[in-house]
Amino acid sequence: RKEVEQDPGPFNVPEGATVAFNCTYSNSASQSFFWYRQDCRKEPKLLMSVYSSGNEDGRFTAQLNRASQYISLLIRDSKLSDSATYLCVVKYSGAGSYQLTFGKGTKLSVIP
Amino acid sequence: DADVTQTPRNRITKTGKRIMLECSQTKGHDRMYWYRQDPGLGLRLIYYSFDVKDINKGEISDGYSVSRQAQAKFSLSLESAIPNQTALYFCATSDLLGGGKETQYFGPGTRLLVL
Repeated sequence: RKEVEQDPGPFNVPEGATVAFNCTYSNSASQSFFWYRQDCRKEPKLLMSVYSSGNEDGRFTAQLNRASQYISLLIRDSKLSDSATYLCVVKYSGAGSYQLTFGKGTKLSVIP
Repeated sequence: DADVTQTPRNRITKTGKRIMLECSQTKGHDRMYWYRQDPGLGLRLIYYSFDVKDINKGEISDGYSVSRQAQAKFSLSLESAIPNQTALYFCATSDLLGGGKETQYFGPGTRLLVL
């Protein structure tokens, strides 16, 4: 059962490029959405939450489309330090139920 | 100093052995979680606890048990380890802010190899 699906990657892009990652989710009752970043052999860390109206944090822009059950992450002016795996995360929480589902991740390599 | 610590960081064990992975946090969060990560499968939730008296099964709890000894401590046990439990295990804590916003803070992970 694939509840959260991401672009398979890997994405190999030159420095300065713009790159976009997509993610779809199957539970229409999902309430909250996030992008996490995971460096090789390290723990995941929150990159940004995704808000309904879309949100931006420096070079990073996240978008949510509830009707299409689709989330995106745009990275502008890619840096070498952006090389990592990006995890799409979807949360559902209700009476007696809690689901935090991670996508398998998309690997990004930024090349000099 | 790390806010979420895990011990051991690496462990090799044999099939049938009982092992315990420990997690401690200094963030003061009520919520704690255990995940495993496998190549090609992503992170999967094993157990979670929203406070000291609350324990819940996650997606893949079979073969695992947990104990929440205190707000700051959450341990994961493999009663009888098997090779397909070889994985990278992460402990996490979270805060719950308004509007459903929740940040997971992960420990550094424990690499477990079951022979």
